[in-house]
Amino acid sequence: RKEVEQDPGPFNVPEGATVAFNCTYSNSASQSFFWYRQDCRKEPKLLMSVYSSGNEDGRFTAQLNRASQYISLLIRDSKLSDSATYLCVVNKVGGYSTLTFGKGTMLLVSP
Amino acid sequence: DGGITQSPKYLFRKEGQNVTLSCEQNLNHDAMYWYRQDPGQGLRLIYYSQIVNDFQKGDIAEGYSVSREKKESFPLTVTSAQKNPTAFYLCASTTGQGPSEVAELFFGEGSRLTVL
Repeated sequence: RKEVEQDPGPFNVPEGATVAFNCTYSNSASQSFFWYRQDCRKEPKLLMSVYSSGNEDGRFTAQLNRASQYISLLIRDSKLSDSATYLCVVNKVGGYSTLTFGKGTMLLVSP
Repeated sequence: DGGITQSPKYLFRKEGQNVTLSCEQNLNHDAMYWYRQDPGQGLRLIYYSQIVNDFQKGDIAEGYSVSREKKESFPLTVTSAQKNPTAFYLCASTTGQGPSEVAELFFGEGSRLTVL
């Protein structure tokens, strides 16, 4: 099993749609989880951290299921500006903690 | 404005040449990282440094070297030993340090290296 695995995409959705991204991670000892957003040919930027209780930030909702080692990101009422690649990120346990990035899922929102 | 500055943004080099990518941050962050990204791939960790004068190999350190002589600077040298150096290189920093502490990574705008 890969350390962090995401839906390959791309996801093509119309404006206003709801879209969900899934991510699984292999190390049950991981403690920190994030979603980053990366625009085409740009650097990644933090979208939101993912907490055990689930968290929401406007149209974005992140969920964590530790038992299944599964993370999700839900985007409601998609906007054209949401078009980007969404990276699932998990801390790598052992020694000093570093972050492991998934390959990302591309989202394309069309008018 | 605080941030991370990478240079050059675009770089072309001939096979067999070493090249050094600059990364400077004025965020007063202790930890700095170098990642490589290839098309359709996730970011892969090359080297990281938690403190001045100390650094560790990441998952793909072969063919690369780094130094951390100053807190704000973490240059990456891509040597001729790196077999497939053409990639997008990203430098990042964070306040987090220690075995389990992970904080938000702040990235520079990246350097695109093309080997001709």
